[in-house]
Formats: sequence, structure tokens, C-alpha cells
Amino acid sequence: DAGVIQSPRHEVTEMGQEVTLRCKPISGHNSLFWYRQTMMRGLELLIYFNNNVPIDDSGMPEDRFSAKMPNASFSTLKIQPSEPRDSAVYFCASHRDRSNQPQHFGDGTRLSIL
Amino acid sequence: ELKVEQNPLFLSMQEGKNYTIYCNYSTTSDRLYWYRQDPGKSLESLFVLLSNGAVKQEGRLMASLDTKARLSTLHITAAVHDLSATYFCAVRLLMLTFGGGTRLMVKP
Repeated sequence: DAGVIQSPRHEVTEMGQEVTLRCKPISGHNSLFWYRQTMMRGLELLIYFNNNVPIDDSGMPEDRFSAKMPNASFSTLKIQPSEPRDSAVYFCASHRDRSNQPQHFGDGTRLSIL
Repeated sequence: ELKVEQNPLFLSMQEGKNYTIYCNYSTTSDRLYWYRQDPGKSLESLFVLLSNGAVKQEGRLMASLDTKARLSTLHITAAVHDLSATYFCAVRLLMLTFGGGTRLMVKP
């Protein structure tokens, strides 16, 4: 099992640029989660997909953030335009719905906006 | 709104000592998870607790769940340096809600 795969691992870009983070969930998992982790706010859930459909996006900070899941094996989180306060580690996690198994996390993308 | 609180937030202890991390939550749930995170790394699942009175043990770590008290504990026995990490509890309703984490440092 390859686990949850995220790319890129690191991203450094200037403010105002568009940033796209990518995630491939574990095969057979039908729930996907995007989290953001910072020292100040800890681990925050941004958005949750179930069967490729966004179920709860109440954690998305503002309209600059958007997420898509066009199929069961791929999701993107986009920030446009990016701001320095978006700097954080972004994790993707996946889970098989209606199971008691834990969410499996990817290695994260460390994002720095200059 | 579900709230999950861990304490302490930071714990420095000597090798060989015992200690307990507490996780309190505000809404009834019988699914609680413990994760470990090493600096700069991802979150790794440690324990899944699914019922009142559940107890799981792995090496020097033991987790328990009291759903009536809405409390889970992570007990560390005879700590070793390799246990230094941040530990998170998470409670599941529709989604996971994480506690703020307990940063554990074990000193020689």
C-alpha cells in the first residue's frame, strides 16, 4: 500500500502567485480531508470530501482557497492569490467511510509564501 | 460544537519516569484516536479506541477511553528518549476533531 501521496513536498513562492497542492488518497478510501497545521492554530480541517463530493468546507479560510476532487484518486487544493499568512504545512488524509479505521495522513506539503 | 482539549500542552520528563496525558472532549462519542507526530513529519496513528472502557497497549504506551467521563488517557511507562514527539488525540463524530497536542520531551 503506497499510502497517501502528496506533492510537492515543499513549495516556496512569492505572494500573489497561485499555488496548487496535490493529493492521491489510498486506493479504496472514499473520504478525503485537507488539513492545515501551524504553530499558532494547530491542526485545522479545511475541507472534507466523501465519494468525490465536498461535504463540509466550513474550514476553508476564504475565497482565495478552493479544492476539487475530480475523481476518486486525485484532489487539489488551490490558493489564488497566495499571501504570507498562508504559510503552513498542508496535510491530506484519507479514510474508508463507515469504518473505524484511523485516517491515514500524507507526508504533507510545507508551503512558504514570501 | 465538539471541543477537544489535551493537557498538558508541554511535558518534559526524565527517562524511566511514568506520566499520563489527558484528553477531554465535550460531546458524546465512542470513537477516539491517538496520533504521534515527530518534528517535520506526518501524523502516525497509534491507537483506535471504540468503546467505553477500551484499553490498548503498545510497548510503553497505553491508551484508555471513558466515554461517560468523556476522557481518554495516554499513559507512558518508563519513558525513553525515542518517545519524544507530539501526541494528538482526535474524536470522531462525522469528522475528526483534534486536540491541541501534547509535546513530549524525554531527557536522558
